[in-house]
Amino acid sequence: DAKTTQPNSMESNEEEPVHLPCNHSTISGTDYIHWYRQLPSQGPEYVIHGLTSNVNNRMASLAIAEDRKSSTLILHRATLRDAAVYYCILRDGLGGGGNKLTFGTGTQLKVEL
Amino acid sequence: DGGITQSPKYLFRKEGQNVTLSCEQNLNHDAMYWYRQDPGQGLRLIYYSQIVNDFQKGDIAEGYSVSREKKESFPLTVTSAQKNPTAFYLCASSIGVGQGAREQYFGPGTRLTVT
Repeated sequence: DAKTTQPNSMESNEEEPVHLPCNHSTISGTDYIHWYRQLPSQGPEYVIHGLTSNVNNRMASLAIAEDRKSSTLILHRATLRDAAVYYCILRDGLGGGGNKLTFGTGTQLKVEL
Repeated sequence: DGGITQSPKYLFRKEGQNVTLSCEQNLNHDAMYWYRQDPGQGLRLIYYSQIVNDFQKGDIAEGYSVSREKKESFPLTVTSAQKNPTAFYLCASSIGVGQGAREQYFGPGTRLTVT
C-alpha cells in the first residue's frame, strides 16, 4: 500500500484557517486521496476525497499538488469541534484489496480559543 | 436515520472466553469492514465482506472470525486465540467494492476489555 506522511500534531486558533499537509510521494495513478477525522472515543468520519483536481465540500477543501505527491486539507474556519485526529489515506481506485483503508497515526489537531 | 449500529459500547470479558461484537447497518451497503484500534494508533483491518456469504481476511485476522449471513449484519467474534484482544473495535460499511472513491461510514465502536 502506498504510504502517507503527516505531522504528528498541529495547533490552531478558533476562527482561523487550518492547513493540514500530507505527503504521498509513492502515489499511483489510480489512488484516491481520502481524508477522515476521528474525535475522541468515536469512529472515524469521512471528510473529503479527491483524485487529481482540488475539491470543496461543506466540511473542508482539498488541495492536490500538480504532481499528486502531496495534498493539503483546508479547514476554512476552525472551531473547537474540529479538534480531532485527521487521517490522510490513499485508496486504490481500482477496487483492489476490498477497497480497504490503511490508516496511519494521523495528525492531532488542537484548536484553542 | 440511516447509519451503523455497534453494540454494546463497552464490553468486559474474562480471558479465555469468546465474545461476539455486533454490527448492523441500514444504509443498504454491500461492503462491510471490521477494524481494530489500539491506543495512539491508527485503525487496522481485521476482516471485510464484499457481499453476503463472502468475506476476506484483512491484515490482522488471526484470532478473529466473522460471518455475513445478512446484508445488514456483520458480527465479529473475538476468540480465545487472540493474544491481545483488549482494543477499540470499529465496524464500517461502504456502498460497494469496486472502482471509484467508495468512502466508508463508521459505527461508534465497541471498547473491549479482557482481563
